[in-house]
Amino acid sequence: AQSVSQHNHHVILSEAASLELGCNYSYGGTVNLFWYVQYPGQHLQLLLKYFSGDPLVKGIKGFEAEFIKSKFSFNLRKPSVQWSDTAEYFCAVNPNDYKLSFGAGTTVTVRA
Amino acid sequence: GAVVSQHPSRVICKSGTSVKIECRSLDFQATTMFWYRQFPKQSLMLMATSNEGSKATYEQGVEKDKFLINHASLTLSTLTVTSAHPEDSSFYICSASALGQGVDGYTFGSGTRLTVV
Repeated sequence: AQSVSQHNHHVILSEAASLELGCNYSYGGTVNLFWYVQYPGQHLQLLLKYFSGDPLVKGIKGFEAEFIKSKFSFNLRKPSVQWSDTAEYFCAVNPNDYKLSFGAGTTVTVRA
Repeated sequence: GAVVSQHPSRVICKSGTSVKIECRSLDFQATTMFWYRQFPKQSLMLMATSNEGSKATYEQGVEKDKFLINHASLTLSTLTVTSAHPEDSSFYICSASALGQGVDGYTFGSGTRLTVV
């Protein structure tokens, strides 16, 4: 079945540490890729997206993600996290229709 | 920016009762709204897509008589969980898009935690 997989359920790290969250998908063909963030008590917000072009995508708040087509991956990175990055992060795939398929999410806890 | 308000944020109901969840677009006309359900440690699963003024399209495996969706206006969609049972306890999230808006423009509500006791 087509799916979106996020490798980690919960990541705990200290401020200034680097963060990488894995995302793999199993859809064939052309896809659009997204990372969303949900801060405690708030709605899902778009962090960044990839539709085409440069596979290294920069988003808001210092996040970036790299699309590696051969690996069906779209990993999210941030070189130095802050306490305010504590949130849940969702990878999502849009296989060229109007629907979004989400991964299970990764909870990131940043300790001060 | 676009804002979607979802209400209530939390609800506890007795088994056998019905619960209505509202999703409102505050500053834009939402021609399409989506309803998702999320179980703990699992993905957001799309339940149904509703277009203003027409019947909702349900995903495979979602009971349309159980989860009633109404999208009567361009700013309001409601999800009613009928005859709720403990297995319906979950986190429900709506999202909305305006006419001509691509998938990257979807705006999400903050979700509703439903607990059926």
